[in-house]
Amino acid sequence: GAVVSQHPSRVICKSGTSVKIECRSLDFQATTMFWYRQFPKQSLMLMATSNEGSKATYEQGVEKDKFLINHASLTLSTLTVTSAHPEDSSFYICSARDPRGGWNEKLFFGSGTQLSVL
Amino acid sequence: EDQVTQSPEALRLQEGESSSLNCSYTVSGLRGLFWYRQDPGKGPEFLFTLYSAGEEKEKERLKATLTKKESFLHITAPKPEDSATYLCAVQAPLTGGGNKLTFGTGTQLKVEL
Repeated sequence: GAVVSQHPSRVICKSGTSVKIECRSLDFQATTMFWYRQFPKQSLMLMATSNEGSKATYEQGVEKDKFLINHASLTLSTLTVTSAHPEDSSFYICSARDPRGGWNEKLFFGSGTQLSVL
Repeated sequence: EDQVTQSPEALRLQEGESSSLNCSYTVSGLRGLFWYRQDPGKGPEFLFTLYSAGEEKEKERLKATLTKKESFLHITAPKPEDSATYLCAVQAPLTGGGNKLTFGTGTQLKVEL
């Protein structure tokens, strides 16, 4: 089946630094990728939709200047948390749409990144 | 606004004790209902997609069913390795094109020997 690779799996950083998370589709070209955030025992919350070659679409309440998304190729999307603060600590998960499935497509998820900001 | 409610929040079963997880939903224009399994510290793993009421799908000890208001994930004779959080999500069209997934908060299942 389709595989989505996410890196790093865990990052600990100091407050004020920026952190970049990568999401790669390994065996298909993903025109659309999605970034989610998950707090403990809570649902996955969609942060933004990343479209290859165009600007990301952010969900209401998500700061686009804080969470920078770049989808420069059909197999790679990156999420950069700029000037991270402790409240940004969370589990970030990317997913990619396999276009071969048509509009009833399946989403394949990366393994997630646990961000801890000290 | 699309809503997905899963119950129970947590479920503890003995090995071999069958049970069902519930996912109730309200959505405009359902394009699919998805079940995922999520292990601690991992991303969700796809299990099933159901598209219309009356549809059923099976995979090993799991069987998913769908009505117009809810979906059930039946677990038959579970084993400890079935312990995980099971997530339900509905897919609906977005104004202007594309689809959006809305997730429930999941059911945390623990199967004990």
